[in-house]
Amino acid sequence: EVQLLESGGGLVQPGGSLRLSCAGSGFTFSNYAMSWVRQAPGKGLEWVSSISGSGDNTYYADSVKGRFTISRDNSKNTLFLQMNSLRAEDTAVYYCAARPRVGALGASDFWGQGTLVTVSS
Amino acid sequence: EIVLTQSPDTLSLSPGERATLSCRASQSVSGNFLGWYQQKPGQAPRLLIYDASSRATAVPDRFSGSGSGTDFTLTISRLEPEDFAVYYCQHYGRSPLTFGGGTKVETK
Repeated sequence: EVQLLESGGGLVQPGGSLRLSCAGSGFTFSNYAMSWVRQAPGKGLEWVSSISGSGDNTYYADSVKGRFTISRDNSKNTLFLQMNSLRAEDTAVYYCAARPRVGALGASDFWGQGTLVTVSS
Repeated sequence: EIVLTQSPDTLSLSPGERATLSCRASQSVSGNFLGWYQQKPGQAPRLLIYDASSRATAVPDRFSGSGSGTDFTLTISRLEPEDFAVYYCQHYGRSPLTFGGGTKVETK
């Protein structure tokens, strides 16, 4: 059974940094492309970033480009999202999502339960 | 960037009725790389349809997707109580990926 468990969320001040992690289990992690999708309170879904199975290809939404970095450690079955220069509008539940293809872009079959990031002074 | 517009915002129906949800793209979606997700309150999204018309694993056959180019539709043939939720379309043919604003299917 595919399982994804996010961690690292919390309260951070504007301009601060946070690193999210997503631990995968029940599947061959390197064979899956991974993504981060966020949802602001009471709002819709927003794609944030995706990474290929090997980690060689990464993609970002314009709203986070230059501030967020997606990466993965296939030896530890873990996905990361380094978030710098955080703004109030980055406040959201951040979901980790996986698709059973190595190419970065595609529909996500599996989702974690999310971790809440709150940016506030 | 491809902008996806979903309509209606809210659909008020009774169990057993047919639901038809629309997703219109601002430009053609290459390869029909469009998916539909269901989200219930407090839960993560669930993939229902990918590549416009293929059902994801374990999705009941009352859910079907159709369309191509710029116009796509999700149809729920007969609503079950567990189908009342918010539905999102997403294109993933090229970066940036985008989601539609969602359609809420509520009980009439």
